[in-house]
Parts: sequence; C-alpha cells; structure tokens
Amino acid sequence: DGGITQSPKYLFRKEGQNVTLSCEQNLNHDAMYWYRQDPGQGLRLIYYSQIVNDFQKGDIAEGYSVSREKKESFPLTVTSAQKNPTAFYLCASRPGDANTGELFFGEGSRLTVL
Amino acid sequence: AQSVTQLDSQVPVFEEAPVELRCNYSSSVSVYLFWYVQYPNQGLQLLLKYLSGSTLVESINGFEAEFNKSQTSFHLRKPSVHISDTAEYFCAGTLTGGGNKLTFGTGTQLKVEL
Repeated sequence: DGGITQSPKYLFRKEGQNVTLSCEQNLNHDAMYWYRQDPGQGLRLIYYSQIVNDFQKGDIAEGYSVSREKKESFPLTVTSAQKNPTAFYLCASRPGDANTGELFFGEGSRLTVL
Repeated sequence: AQSVTQLDSQVPVFEEAPVELRCNYSSSVSVYLFWYVQYPNQGLQLLLKYLSGSTLVESINGFEAEFNKSQTSFHLRKPSVHISDTAEYFCAGTLTGGGNKLTFGTGTQLKVEL
C-alpha cells in the first residue's frame, strides 16, 4: 500500500543535541511538507519542497533544517538552536500536478526534550 | 492575509446528539475546502472535501459539510455522534492568492460523552 512513513514515532532528546526525523513516501508525490503541532495552535508550516533538490522556508523555519536529495525522502533535522523543540511533527505530501492543495499525512513523530 | 477560522476550540456533546463544528474562511472567490480528522497521537486523515459542484459533501461515516459562499462558511455536521467520533477536527482551505498552499484552522476538539 502506498503511504507516508515517519520514524521514529517517539523520540527523546537531551538539550543541546540535534535530532533527525525521517519521512519517506511511496506515493510518487512531488511536493513534501513538514508541520509542527502544539496544543491549541493547529499546524504550523516549517519547511516544504516542491521538487527534488529544492526547498523553501515555511512560517517557523528557525532552528530546523531539511534536505531533498531523493523524491521519496524529506528528512527534518531539529537543531540545538530550536529553543522549544518539544512538539508533534507531521510530514505530508501531495502530487505536483494537483492544484487543490489537498495533503496526505504521515502518522507523526513526537519529540520530547528532556 | 487569507485565513481559515475555527471559533470553537472544544465542543462537548452527548452520544447520539447532533453536532456542528464551525469553519469560516476569508475569501469571496474560488476556494477548495477540506475537513481533516486527527485521533490521538496519529496523523491527519481526510474526512471530506469540497472542490466544485454540489455544495453539500458527505463522508462515509455520516459527517457532512455544506459550502456556503455567501456566508464564507464550511461547517461540519453529524446528526448523531458516537463515542468513536471523539477526535480533533481541522478545517483547511486552499484560498485564492495562496497558490497551492493549504491553510489550516486551529482545530476543534470534539469530545463525545455517554
């Protein structure tokens, strides 16, 4: 079955450490997105990529980095510069030729900084 | 700025009672509108969408939403809720001038009680 796989599901990190969240999709979608979710704040866009080897900052990119070396993969690194990294992170994708904006989501990764 | 507004952060309701979750958007021109559902510690799943045509759209589990252009609304309704409907519901829209970017509301937590 096609879908989006995020790993790990749960991750604990000490302050000052970088951590990388994985996102892999086998839907052959061109565009991929990373969102951060905090209680009561909805979804906030961190980074997105429309095509391979290209990505754009979203609304809250500071303290995060991404890469898009392959169409199916869009890993997110939460760096030590991110001041409040504890959150639920969601990866999403959509076909490049879809102009409706509809997104397909992974199951999410919960990061806790100790 | 274009936006999607969900005024109710929480909606408690008894089982078998009707429910309406409100959503308004800030555009008077063409839009695509979506409702997503999120169960605890999971990703978002598409519940239903309005792209064009009939203004009343339905999901397979009894929810429906009506696109009302004059009131710029896309409220979600269910005539009789079940305990299993307890979840967070997000309204989202691809709005004029926003390209293909999906804009999310802040979410409504539906809590169904016995």
